[in-house]
Amino acid sequence: SYVLTQSSSVSVAPGKTAKITCDGNNIGNKNVHWYQQKSGQAPVLVVYNDRDRPSGIPERFSGSNSGNTATLIISRVEAGDEADYYCQVWDGGSDSWVFGGGTELTVL
Amino acid sequence: EVQLVESGGGLVQPGGSLRLSCAASGITFTKYWMNWVRQVPGKGLVWVSRINTDGRSTSYADSMKGRLSISRDNAKNTVSLQMNNLSPEDTAVYFCASAHYDISTGHLGPFDNWGQGTQVIVSS
Repeated sequence: SYVLTQSSSVSVAPGKTAKITCDGNNIGNKNVHWYQQKSGQAPVLVVYNDRDRPSGIPERFSGSNSGNTATLIISRVEAGDEADYYCQVWDGGSDSWVFGGGTELTVL
Repeated sequence: EVQLVESGGGLVQPGGSLRLSCAASGITFTKYWMNWVRQVPGKGLVWVSRINTDGRSTSYADSMKGRLSISRDNAKNTVSLQMNNLSPEDTAVYFCASAHYDISTGHLGPFDNWGQGTQVIVSS
């Protein structure tokens, strides 16, 4: 089955840019979605189809996807961005959704 | 306002069964694949099961295959997950989530709506 690998944690200072990566075999050929989950809450979609934002999500959230790595980019990081972030793809070959293991973003 | 509200969680003994339900409002239910995702406290999200728009196609995570049955009632805008032969490893919060399916293009969207989750505890 398809596997997505994320680093366990990323730390960034307020106002700086955070990059959270998601590795998968030829992930550039898939649509990658990203979710933010704050402590004790349900996940929220922040980026879909590699780089699109749902309504209500700040422009500071963006994404890219090429080769074997997809990246969630959070510009001008704020304290409120502190959360766990998960990447996700649809694996048609196994008829299943796949999540990455999640990355904990810490704002210093 | 879109709402997905899960129910049916609780404490169950090992080997027991539980039926989770999710009631949807604020969406055109028949345009969405419905999914269940679980999360062990302190751990990551794990997709569990999905059902297509008319209920005729389902799939399950390999780790739980054979013990689950997902179904939907499009007249009542609900989706259910029957879980059998539960073990302590199934203890988790179970989320319901919707994914828009465009029948004209065959495009399946992301999980754009989530419920707040229902806690399942398997313990003697």
